[in-house]
Amino acid sequence: NAGVTQTPKFRILKIGQSMTLQCTQDMNHNYMYWYRQDPGMGLKLIYYSVGAGITDKGEVPNGYNVSRSTTEDFPLRLELAAPSQTSVYFCASSYDNVNTEAFFGQGTRLTVV
Amino acid sequence: TQLLEQSPQFLSIQEGENLTVYCNSSSVFSSLQWYRQEPGEGPVLLVTVVTGGEVKKLKRLTFQFGDARKDSSLHITAAQPGDTGLYLCAGIHAGNNRKLIWGLGTSLAVNP
Repeated sequence: NAGVTQTPKFRILKIGQSMTLQCTQDMNHNYMYWYRQDPGMGLKLIYYSVGAGITDKGEVPNGYNVSRSTTEDFPLRLELAAPSQTSVYFCASSYDNVNTEAFFGQGTRLTVV
Repeated sequence: TQLLEQSPQFLSIQEGENLTVYCNSSSVFSSLQWYRQEPGEGPVLLVTVVTGGEVKKLKRLTFQFGDARKDSSLHITAAQPGDTGLYLCAGIHAGNNRKLIWGLGTSLAVNP
């Protein structure tokens, strides 16, 4: 069972470069989320989506963009990478937001130099 | 201000010891979840508690939801090195657009 799949697993970017973090899930979940996790700072919600065609900002959306053209895919775009975006990024999905489990991908470790 | 406070932040114990970690808030949650995260992996759900006063057991792990649904605890009996990891609590806030709120986690190391 694939679950939530994120690519790439690791990436080094130079300041000002752009990249897209890919996330796909095969569980037909409506809700999808992007988090960043920094040491001692916990999981911070970047963007989320409650269904195809619908996205909304989380706590820390600046510097990021998302799209949700299909139920399965929820890519995260960094347009102008900055050192402050060095972090571990997790994509997650859930069936809805009522007492249901969030399934996480394995994460993308991004370093901006 | 962190809506869900977890304590302790770090815990290092010997194999066989018991421990309790806490997840506290001044707000009411409609449910609370506990996740464990191992290095290099995403969090994985351990349990969801939804009823005030509820107690759930998962082998050597005992989870409790406070009567007022503002706090939760995780007790591990006879800890093993395989219990090592980051324990995160997350709650559906009753009055916050039903978004999942995360604590900062308790990092547990169980030494053989």
